[in-house]
This record gives sequence, C-alpha cells and structure tokens, in this order.
Amino acid sequence: DVKVTQSSRYLVKRTGEKVFLECVQDMDHENMFWYRQDPGLGLRLIYFSYDVKMKEKGDIPEGYSVSREKKERFSLILESASTNQTSMYLCASGPRAGYTFGSGTRLTVV
Amino acid sequence: AQKITQTQPGMFVQEKEAVTLDCTYDTSDPSYGLFWYKQPSSGEMIFLIYQGSYDQQNATEGRYSLNFQKARKSANLVISASQLGDSAMYFCAMRELQAGNNRKLIWGLGTSLAVNP
Repeated sequence: DVKVTQSSRYLVKRTGEKVFLECVQDMDHENMFWYRQDPGLGLRLIYFSYDVKMKEKGDIPEGYSVSREKKERFSLILESASTNQTSMYLCASGPRAGYTFGSGTRLTVV
Repeated sequence: AQKITQTQPGMFVQEKEAVTLDCTYDTSDPSYGLFWYKQPSSGEMIFLIYQGSYDQQNATEGRYSLNFQKARKSANLVISASQLGDSAMYFCAMRELQAGNNRKLIWGLGTSLAVNP
C-alpha cells in the first residue's frame, strides 16, 4: 500500500515562528499536494508539485511556501505563523487517477 | 460557481440499511474523473471509489457503488449495509482531465454521515 507520512500529528507553535510541515511518500509519485481544511470551507489547495523543484500555487498560497528537493518529500513552510493559520493540514500524493492522503497535522498557532 | 455540490450537510442511517450521498458537478471538460473520499474523526482522508467520465458502467468497490448519471451531472455514492464504522465525513471531488491544470482536485464541502445502532 502507498504510504504518505506526515511528520507530526499535532503541533502547537507561537505567532511569528517559522514552521515546517513535512510529508514523505514511498511510491515514487510525481504529484504531491498540500491542503488545509477548515470547518465549513472544505479542503483548499495551498501548493502542489509535479516534479522535483517544480511547484505551483494553489488557491490560497499567501503566507506559505514549499520545498521539494527530493521526489519523495514535500515540505510546507509557514514563514511567520499567524493565528489564522491554525488549521488541519493534509498532504497528498498520487498518479493521475487518484490521490493518497497522509493522516494530517493539526496545527495550532497561539 | 461551485463545481462540486453536496447538498446534504448531514445524514443519518440505521445500521444495515443502505444510504445514498448526493453529489452534483459542473464542468465543460468532456474528460473528467469523479472521486469519493471518507474522512473519519481521526482525520485521514481515505479514497473510496473512482468513476471516469467515459466509463460505461457504474463503479463499485465492495459495499460502495457510484450512481453515475452523466446527463444529470450527478455522481451519488451508495453505501449498502451500513456499519457503525461508516460514520464519517464523505467528500465528493472531481478532476478535469483536459484542463490546463489537470492535476488539481475540485472538492465539495462534504456530508457528515452518522450510522445509528
């Protein structure tokens, strides 16, 4: 089975901190995604990557950046965390037909 | 305009009964894929079933089937013989395969399903 692993299940950070969320997949997938999920707003795409060092903005990239130095790893970076970035963050990877998700990281910014 | 609409914010079903979760979509792309995902309270998004726009038959995966009505642009998920473990949020999603940016999934807002014993 494809595994998508997110480094932290729960994270609490202070306002202004630089935050790294890591995602690793083990199936050599080209496409990787970062979503945030908020009640009533559904899943919103932050960034995605279709190859090493390639990235594209999603629907809500402001306040975030990403890094993909190796095919299996896709990192989401909050340059200066703010309270409105408190959310559930979901990473996904996959081939063209469908995507596999990690178990999510609940980030709280205080 | 919303491209994926799930009109039922919440649904209840009795254990062992069947339940249908609604999903309508809007696209001008002739080639697209439709997905259903399950998200239990633990948070992980679990892929359930996929239907391609050119597939002749409705997709089935165990107790899950997709009632695909192309002319009506609907892709309803049917869960047969509901189990307590089916209690979760269910999301419908679409991927437009000929669009310039065809890697993105377009998501509905989800339906919360509660299975009663």
